[in-house]
Amino acid sequence: RKEVEQDPGPFNVPEGATVAFNCTYSNSASQSFFWYRQDCRKEPKLLMSVYSSGNEDGRFTAQLNRASQYISLLIRDSKLSDSATYLCVATDTGRRALTFGSGTRLQVQP
Amino acid sequence: NAGVTQTPKFQVLKTGQSMTLQCAQDMNHNSMYWYRQDPGMGLRLIYYSASEGTTDKGEVPNGYNVSRLNKREFSLRLESAAPSQTSVYFCASSEWTGAYNEQFFGPGTRLTVL
Repeated sequence: RKEVEQDPGPFNVPEGATVAFNCTYSNSASQSFFWYRQDCRKEPKLLMSVYSSGNEDGRFTAQLNRASQYISLLIRDSKLSDSATYLCVATDTGRRALTFGSGTRLQVQP
Repeated sequence: NAGVTQTPKFQVLKTGQSMTLQCAQDMNHNSMYWYRQDPGMGLRLIYYSASEGTTDKGEVPNGYNVSRLNKREFSLRLESAAPSQTSVYFCASSEWTGAYNEQFFGPGTRLTVL
């Protein structure tokens, strides 16, 4: 079983739609969580951190449920420019490195 | 600032050949990392260097060696390339302060081993 699991998609949504991605992690010792965005054939870039209380950054909302070991990302009012792969990430504090899910691909259509 | 740079951008090797992937960062970060990304697998950690002078194995270290040449540079060497090492390789850096800090990635090296 992968440490971080995501639905690979693709999610095909029209502009203006609301879309939600889910992610589960298996390592209960994971302490910090993030969403990274990766455009086609580019490097990953940090989209936002995920806090236990939930956090929002403009059209993006991230939530964490430690009891269920579950992370979510909600995108409201989707834009064409949101088309990308979204990577769910947990930290491995022992290695000071990141454990990545395989990513969920989003395609926003006009 | 250039951030994290990687060379080369593309490389084709024959099985058994060796090569070194170069990575440099100009953000004065103390930690550096090498990941590989395969289709459907996400990024997997190969090696990391928490600080200058130290290196440690990640999830998939077999077939690779690394050198933390100085604070700026962290190289990845394939001694005898195999087709299974065909992948996209990303270098990253971060400032480790005891809590997570954002990792910044280079543009990647696309390696094909024939």
